[in-house]
Amino acid sequence: DQQVKQNSPSLSVQEGRISILNCDYTNSMFDYFLWYKKYPAEGPTFLISISSIKDKNEDGRFTVFLNKSAKHLSLHIVPSQPGDSAVYFCAASATGNTDKLIFGTGTRLQVFP
Amino acid sequence: NAGVTQTPKFQVLKTGQSMTLQCAQDMNHEYMSWYRQDPGMGLRLIHYSVGAGITDQGEVPNGYNVSRSTTEDFPLRLLSAAPSQTSVYFCASSYSNAGSTQHFGDGTRLSIL
Repeated sequence: DQQVKQNSPSLSVQEGRISILNCDYTNSMFDYFLWYKKYPAEGPTFLISISSIKDKNEDGRFTVFLNKSAKHLSLHIVPSQPGDSAVYFCAASATGNTDKLIFGTGTRLQVFP
Repeated sequence: NAGVTQTPKFQVLKTGQSMTLQCAQDMNHEYMSWYRQDPGMGLRLIHYSVGAGITDQGEVPNGYNVSRSTTEDFPLRLLSAAPSQTSVYFCASSYSNAGSTQHFGDGTRLSIL
C-alpha cells in the first residue's frame, strides 16, 4: 500500500516554462512534507519542505503547495532550467520529525532548451 | 566537511554471503537511517536510529541488521544475501529537531548473484 504516490513517472518541460510535479498521500497523520532532488549516482538532496499548518512555501524558483483536504501537494519550478533535470521525490512524515520518511516513487523531470 | 560517507560504492555478492555496508557522518546528527531504492518503488526505509544504542525497524527490515554503538557510525549488515536484496542503498542522517532535513550519502550499489 503506497502511502505517498507520484503518479507521473516522467515530465518533460521546455526551458523557461513552469514545471509542476504532483504528489498525493493517503495517511491523514502526515504533517510534514518534503521534496528531494536526485541526480544520477548521487544521494537525494533536500529541496523544500512544508508543514501541514501552511498551504504554501516558497524558496526562490521553487514553491510547494499543500491541499490538506485533497491530500495533495505540488512542487512548482519557475522558470525551469536545464540543471533542474533530475528525479524528484516527494516525502512525508507523521511526526514532524524526519526520522521516518515515507517516499513516493519519484518523477523524472527533463528540461530541454 | 564530508557529510554522510558510505562505503563501498559498489559491491557484488553471491547468494548466501554476508557483508556490512558502512555509513559514517561527521555532523553530530542524532538520527540515522538506511533506505533502499528499487525501480518503481522509490526509497523505502529499512532501519533507523534515534541515537547511539537505539535502533528500530522501518518498512522493509527483513534480512538486515543494524547497530548504533557511536553517534557517527550506523552500519547495515546483510547476514545471508539474497537476489531480492539487489538494490541501491542510501544512508541518511539528521538532527532531532522538528522540521530537520535528512542528509543522504551517495549510495552503495549492491548486486546479489
